[in-house]
Amino acid sequence: TQLLEQSPQFLSIQEGENLTVYCNSSSVFSSLQWYRQEPGEGPVLLVTVVTGGEVKKLKRLTFQFGDARKDSSLHITAAQPGDTGLYLCAGAFIRGGANNLFFGTGTRLTVIP
Amino acid sequence: EPEVTQTPSHQVTQMGQEVILRCVPISNHLYFYWYRQILGQKVEFLVSFYNNEISEKSEIFDDQFSVERPDGSNFTLKIRSTKLEDSAMYFCASSEGYGLADTDTQYFGPGTRLTVL
Repeated sequence: TQLLEQSPQFLSIQEGENLTVYCNSSSVFSSLQWYRQEPGEGPVLLVTVVTGGEVKKLKRLTFQFGDARKDSSLHITAAQPGDTGLYLCAGAFIRGGANNLFFGTGTRLTVIP
Repeated sequence: EPEVTQTPSHQVTQMGQEVILRCVPISNHLYFYWYRQILGQKVEFLVSFYNNEISEKSEIFDDQFSVERPDGSNFTLKIRSTKLEDSAMYFCASSEGYGLADTDTQYFGPGTRLTVL
C-alpha cells in the first residue's frame, strides 16, 4: 500500500493570509492530483502534475511536484472564505495497465472572514 | 462540461442483500474505477477496469464485489451480500488514458451513499 501523508491535517487562518499544504510519500508516482471535496460529494479535480519539478498555477493556487516525484505542495495566496474545504492529494501509481489513485488523509482548511 | 454521474445518490439495504451501484463515465473515457470512503476516513481504491476486464483490484475488493460494463455507457459495482462494514460513500471515476500525461487524470462522480442496516 502506498502511503501519502498530508500536513497539516487541520488549518484555520484569517482571510488574506497565505498558506501551504504538503503531501509527502516514500513512493515515486507517475502523477499527482489535487482534489477538493465538499461534505457528501465526490472529489473535484483542481490540478494534475506529472513532471518532476513542475509548477502549475490556478489563480491564487500554486501547485508544485517535487523533483523526485515523491512529494507535492499546494500554496494558496490571500486566502478567501470560499477556499474553505477539504483538500486531498492523490498519487497515481501505474499497476496492471491502469493508474490507481492513493489518497492522502486530507487537509481541512477553514478561512475566517 | 462532461461529468461522471452515479445513481442512486443514496441506497439503504438490509445486511445480506445484494446491491448494484450504477455509474455513467465520461463518454470518451476508456478507464473506469471504483473507490469507497468510509465516513471520516480517506478515499480508498477498490478496482480499475479497462477493455472489459479488471486491471487491478485492492484487498478490499473480495469475492463479494464484482464490476461490469453491461452496455456502452454504464459501469456497475455489485455487492452480493452486503455487510454492515460496507456502509460508505462509493465513488466512480473515469479517465481518458493512463501514463505520464494529463490524460490519466481521474474525474469523480458525486458518489452513492450506501447504508447497510
